[in-house]
Amino acid sequence: GAVVSQHPSRVICKSGTSVKIECRSLDFQATTMFWYRQFPKQSLMLMATSNEGSKATYEQGVEKDKFLINHASLTLSTLTVTSAHPEDSSFYICSAPARLASSSYNEQFFGPGTRLTVL
Amino acid sequence: GENVEQHPSTLSVQEGDSAVIKCTYSDSASNYFPWYKQELGKRPQLIIDIRSNVGEKKDQRIAVTLNKTAKHFSLHITETQPEDSAVYFCAASIASSASKIIFGSGTRLSIRP
Repeated sequence: GAVVSQHPSRVICKSGTSVKIECRSLDFQATTMFWYRQFPKQSLMLMATSNEGSKATYEQGVEKDKFLINHASLTLSTLTVTSAHPEDSSFYICSAPARLASSSYNEQFFGPGTRLTVL
Repeated sequence: GENVEQHPSTLSVQEGDSAVIKCTYSDSASNYFPWYKQELGKRPQLIIDIRSNVGEKKDQRIAVTLNKTAKHFSLHITETQPEDSAVYFCAASIASSASKIIFGSGTRLSIRP
């Protein structure tokens, strides 16, 4: 259990266009999801916390108007990169917390990531 | 906010030897410390975690230690094997129903045959 999927896995777009990335919890409900960005050979940097039914919480330095997050249901959060530019090219990963039946604690489950390339 | 520092950034060890990766954290409220292994282009995989109510945890060749007073925690891999080659990240979080995880900068571990 606790599977998180992302779509698309790869996307190439032209500079100035917008790109939407979906993060789904397949077998559990997630009132909260997290979006990370990872540049080559670097760590995962938390961008924002996606909250179902309310506004996302953005980390310092992340432009909320550029990275639009919508969490309209308990199983889906979307990240839209607006007016994408080459410097937005990165690996975007989402995660959601869940508690397995065998555990007393929550654990983070990560999506497989989306590779965005902006030309 | 939480800040996690990780050392070394790269580590090369002979197959069969041990590898140690060290991390420090800044927020004394953090109480959950997972370690992830990430292969190129893949999602991070949880390999072991420790909570602040214990000082050490072991799972076969992998062990993690935690010093809450010093805000240090470490990953120990013994009897290293070629398949241990990957990037390892430490992380810190305040364990609750939906707490964000802050990652360290990562350690690229290479196992020499």
